[in-house]
Amino acid sequence: DVKVTQSSRYLVKRTGEKVFLECVQDMDHENMFWYRQDPGLGLRLIYFSYDVKMKEKGDIPEGYSVSREKKERFSLILESASTNQTSMYLCASSFRGALGTDTQYFGPGTRLTVL
Amino acid sequence: DAKTTQPNSMESNEEEPVHLPCNHSTISGTDYIHWYRQLPSQGPEYVIHGLTSNVNNRMASLAIAEDRKSSTLILHRATLRDAAVYYCILRDFNQGGKLIFGQGTELSVKP
Repeated sequence: DVKVTQSSRYLVKRTGEKVFLECVQDMDHENMFWYRQDPGLGLRLIYFSYDVKMKEKGDIPEGYSVSREKKERFSLILESASTNQTSMYLCASSFRGALGTDTQYFGPGTRLTVL
Repeated sequence: DAKTTQPNSMESNEEEPVHLPCNHSTISGTDYIHWYRQLPSQGPEYVIHGLTSNVNNRMASLAIAEDRKSSTLILHRATLRDAAVYYCILRDFNQGGKLIFGQGTELSVKP
């Protein structure tokens, strides 16, 4: 079974802190994604990566950066956390297989609260 | 990506079949129809996908209308563990990358 793990289930940080959210997958997937989920807004893509050291902006990249130094690990960085970044963060991965049919596997999510 | 429309919520009784509808009247010929679900306090999980023909797997069946403007996810015998939000998503087969989640249908299952 594919396993996508996230470093924390719950995280509380203060405004202005630098926050690192880590995601690791064990299936040698090329693609990795970071989404955030908010009530009434659904899941929105923040950043994604098709390969090591590659990154692409999603729909809401402002205030975030990412790092992919190894194939299995994709980190989301909040350079200076703000209260409007309080959210559920979900990581996903998939094979770079047939386009349109690749299945994304999600981690359990990290619920981040910024005070 | 084309838009999908789903009911906000549905109810089912345990061990009965459930038919979850999805309308996608602006679907293009290159769009696959995907379904994911999200159980409480978990990340979404893949359920099934199809292009034109009906599809079956161990979790569910997908019935696709002949004109492809709508589809139905069928859970043959709902269990309490099937209570979740179900998302119908269109994906162009020329593109990989992000999933665009709508609001989905919240399914509750009564014992």
